[in-house]
Amino acid sequence: EVQLVESGGGLVQPGGSLRLSCAASGFTFSSYSMNWVRQAPGKGLEWLSYLGTGSQTIYYADSVRGRFTVSRDNAENSLYLQMNGLRDEDTAIYYCARYMDAFGYYPFDYWGQGVLVTVSS
Amino acid sequence: DIVMTQSPATLSVSPGERATLSCRASRSVTSHLAWYQQKPGQAPRLLIHGASTRATGIPDRFSGSGSGTEFTLTISSLQSEDFAVYYCQQYNNWPRTFGQGTKVEIK
Repeated sequence: EVQLVESGGGLVQPGGSLRLSCAASGFTFSSYSMNWVRQAPGKGLEWLSYLGTGSQTIYYADSVRGRFTVSRDNAENSLYLQMNGLRDEDTAIYYCARYMDAFGYYPFDYWGQGVLVTVSS
Repeated sequence: DIVMTQSPATLSVSPGERATLSCRASRSVTSHLAWYQQKPGQAPRLLIHGASTRATGIPDRFSGSGSGTEFTLTISSLQSEDFAVYYCQQYNNWPRTFGQGTKVEIK
């Protein structure tokens, strides 16, 4: 069974940093590209970042480029999101989501349960 | 960026009735269009990809159609578990973008 479990969320002050983790199981993690998506309270979905299987292909949304860094450890079956310079508007539930294949045109076929990040003084 | 516009924002439907949700892209996404269902407190679930292909385990009362810029998700006979928010997403271009969602509520 495919499972994605996020962790590392919490309350942080504006300007602070947080590192989210996503632990993957039930599939060959190294064979799939991964993504981060967030959802502000009561709002819709916003794609944030894509990371290819070998960490060579990376994309970011404009809203987080230069502040957030995505990475992965295929040996540990884990995906990470380092978030720096956090702002009030970064308050959201953060989901990791599996790309349906390694590369190409695919949707997100499995999602974690999400982790809440609250940015507030 | 490709803007995805969903309509209506809210759809009130009685159980057993048909629901038709629309999604429009600001420019062509060919058939690289997915639909997701999200229930309160849960992560989104992939329903449809390739505009019309049901994801694994999705009942056949869910169907998708369209290509280019106009897409439709149809739920043929609404069941109680189908009341949720539905999002479309294009995966033809970066950044991947979602519609703002359509809430399907009980009439």
